[in-house]
Amino acid sequence: AQSVAQPEDQVNVAEGNPLTVKCTYSVSGNPYLFWYVQYPNRGLQFLLKYITGDNLVKGSYGFEAEFNKSQTSFHLKKPSALVSDSALYFCAVRPMNTGFQKLVFGTGTRLLVSP
Amino acid sequence: ETGVTQSPTHLIKTRGQQVTLRCSSQSGHNTVSWYQQALGQGPQFIFQYYREEENGRGNFPPRFSGLQFPNYSSELNVNALELDDSALYLCASSSESNTEAFFGQGTRLTVV
Repeated sequence: AQSVAQPEDQVNVAEGNPLTVKCTYSVSGNPYLFWYVQYPNRGLQFLLKYITGDNLVKGSYGFEAEFNKSQTSFHLKKPSALVSDSALYFCAVRPMNTGFQKLVFGTGTRLLVSP
Repeated sequence: ETGVTQSPTHLIKTRGQQVTLRCSSQSGHNTVSWYQQALGQGPQFIFQYYREEENGRGNFPPRFSGLQFPNYSSELNVNALELDDSALYLCASSSESNTEAFFGQGTRLTVV
């Protein structure tokens, strides 16, 4: 069975500082990994994905994520946080090479960036 | 913004009633998935439609049903509403050529 863990309910960071939002996963076989962001009363907005290749993937709005197969992790990072990055972040996983596109999400991490 | 649109944006229903939520998928996408996001939780997969056929289902009872139309738009129907059905319902569309799903803004359902 697939599962995703986001161990931190909330991450607080000052504007201009680097941020990390943690994600670990469990899946049979090789995974597709995703990060989505959700602003209040909105749907999910795609940030980035890992499919294969380079372990460091870059996405929208200056975000990047590092895939670590041995630690089964896919942490989201940004070198310099903005107040506008404050939102709810979800990590998601699905098995590779299936036509079935069910995503399994973590419980989310709220990011608060203070001015 | 994605090209996925959902209607209505908000809905209030009484326990025991039935509800239909609608989703228009992004142009070129033939796969639609529905998710339920309860307050403070991550989205939970309900089911997926591919070319008008349900081809995968999560752990939801049969009173959750759906349809996909020839233009790939979709409906989610919930019968015999319960208070615990109160949630944000998200629709996502995708195609064989892209691995990520694109989500609509959701429908907030409140059951009273």
